[in-house]
Amino acid sequence: DSGVTQTPKHLITATGQRVTLRCSPRSGDLSVYWYQQSLDQGLQFLIHYYNGEERAKGNILERFSAQQFPDLHSELNLSSLELGDSALYFCASRDRAGYTFGSGTRLTVV
Amino acid sequence: AQTVTQSQPEMSVQEAETVTLSCTYDTSESNYYLFWYKQPPSRQMILVIRQEAYKQQNATENRFSVNFQKAAKSFSLKISDSQLGDTAMYFCAFDYGQNFVFGPGTRLSVLP
Repeated sequence: DSGVTQTPKHLITATGQRVTLRCSPRSGDLSVYWYQQSLDQGLQFLIHYYNGEERAKGNILERFSAQQFPDLHSELNLSSLELGDSALYFCASRDRAGYTFGSGTRLTVV
Repeated sequence: AQTVTQSQPEMSVQEAETVTLSCTYDTSESNYYLFWYKQPPSRQMILVIRQEAYKQQNATENRFSVNFQKAAKSFSLKISDSQLGDTAMYFCAFDYGQNFVFGPGTRLSVLP
């Protein structure tokens, strides 16, 4: 257990739907990073939050949004889902030693 | 923009042998960190080794070591005494504080 918790582990939904992915960083970590990994691809940075504020945005689609709450957990909202959004979505938190990843949420859009 | 390149999409090595995975990066930053992550078939991202750019000494973690050449912007990973459990995707990553950029990965297969 890395200490970074992601739920759900698996999600299957239909095109056009909306889903919410949840991430809780390790205790004491203020940052949350979201990444998307499509099949056999590298990790694409989506967005970074630090202590509730958006710090950096990567190649995140307008259909996607995120927020970080006062208790530091974060949610990634994906709407108007398309088949191409099927991927593994990771979140990570960061401390001085580096980044620790959650186990990911596997999203399948059918 | 910061970029990370891994020129070897796939590699294989015999068990107990040594293998080196290549990584180059491009940045204008002077202070940054470099990492190697391993992603086994379970898809979990596991930190292998970390290097601070201001440290000239190459990082070592048991059977894993790096060759960090800052001027050349090169950061290779050497795995000694390869084990079957080392079979995984290996990602080189660059961290300059604002973002964490990954390379495309090298798929390593350790053969018995």
